[in-house]
Amino acid sequence: GEDVEQSLFLSVREGDSSVINCTYTDSSSTYLYWYKQEPGAGLQLLTYIFSNMDMKQDQRLTVLLNKKDKHLSLRIADTQTGDSAIYFCAREGGGNKLTFGTGTQLKVEL
Amino acid sequence: NAGVTQTPKFQVLKTGQSMTLQCAQDMNHEYMSWYRQDPGMGLRLIHYSVGAGITDQGEVPNGYNVSRSTTEDFPLRLLSAAPSQTSVYFCASSYGTGGMEAFFGQGTRLTVV
Repeated sequence: GEDVEQSLFLSVREGDSSVINCTYTDSSSTYLYWYKQEPGAGLQLLTYIFSNMDMKQDQRLTVLLNKKDKHLSLRIADTQTGDSAIYFCAREGGGNKLTFGTGTQLKVEL
Repeated sequence: NAGVTQTPKFQVLKTGQSMTLQCAQDMNHEYMSWYRQDPGMGLRLIHYSVGAGITDQGEVPNGYNVSRSTTEDFPLRLLSAAPSQTSVYFCASSYGTGGMEAFFGQGTRLTVV
């Protein structure tokens, strides 16, 4: 079945950029998402990209997609303490079924 | 606007007990799903529905049942709870597919002892 992989932890200093990486195995065309989960809460959509695109920018967020390597990344510019959370990449299958990565815990230090 | 509401927020069950996790959405979304979240494993799809009267299995359906009699509600039933079902359960809904946001409930933390 589909595999979506992420590294488990990332620590950055406030004001630096964060880059969260994700790899996947299924190369068929679809939508790829980034969700954010704050402690004790559900997931919230941050942004998404269709698999025929290379890049999408939305304020502090930049999504890069390398289709050849099946690699997706989320860059957060000027990272703030409020960005501390778990970040999930997800790939959409049929019927809006989402296959999630393992999640990356982002810790922002002062 | 309430969005996706899950009840209860916390539950402790004994092995072998049954229970129903409730999920309701007020956004008239056709698509609804149940996921479980376990440490280091992300979210895994249990069951999903593309509309009232239609359900299908996800990645980890064993031990769980669902039904979708109305657009608003999508309950998840644990038939005979096992310690392996200790997890955080999330219900999600969306209007459609293809770049449509999935809205998540706050989660139900279930412990089976």
